[in-house]
Amino acid sequence: SQQGEEDPQALSIQEGENATMNCSYKTSINNLQWYRQNSGRGLVHLILIRSNEREKHSGRLRVTLDTSKKSSSLLITASRAADTASYFCATDRVGETSGSRLTFGEGTQLTVNP
Amino acid sequence: DAGVIQSPRHEVTEMGQEVTLRCKPISGHDYLFWYRQTMMRGLELLIYFNNNVPIDDSGMPEDRFSAKMPNASFSTLKIQPSEPRDSAVYFCASKLDPYQPQHFGDGTRLSIL
Repeated sequence: SQQGEEDPQALSIQEGENATMNCSYKTSINNLQWYRQNSGRGLVHLILIRSNEREKHSGRLRVTLDTSKKSSSLLITASRAADTASYFCATDRVGETSGSRLTFGEGTQLTVNP
Repeated sequence: DAGVIQSPRHEVTEMGQEVTLRCKPISGHDYLFWYRQTMMRGLELLIYFNNNVPIDDSGMPEDRFSAKMPNASFSTLKIQPSEPRDSAVYFCASKLDPYQPQHFGDGTRLSIL
């Protein structure tokens, strides 16, 4: 089964609003990563947060990690139509050869309406 | 720099035929991954290589699937014989070292009729 589970499965918002996506996982991790996938394209890495970090920012992206709850959230502020895509969390699990294998969640489909 | 290059982008073939998917990783990247993406099962890791050596092929669905990496700049994923349930988008990804993110190609959309 998938290590990460995203919530919600689909999210539709207006341009300018903030979008929050959540990810839960089951086992201890070394790090958690977020990727974006535009329709018909490959995944693009957005941000990586290590297990000893609680929050990380990159431009309009803010990621939080709560290892006690085994959950992470991705916040996109001031969304744009170009942010329309699927967003996936991926975990690098403790016990795997470190950094060598990621387990992806099922993704959140974000639609930003102009 | 060029990203991960996959070919072909689209492949339509009849069941029973051999299918070969190709991948050129980013130069200098030591890790190469093959994934399959479907609506039902999401993104699944099939196999990954480190320095051209297969490390984990536990995700390869059956003996009909095989993957090779004859050198650092080229890998193939072969399905023989192909079946309709193999229809999916197949992605190749590479990364520099264990601590860097993966870089994905744009995938091969495979349809087996």
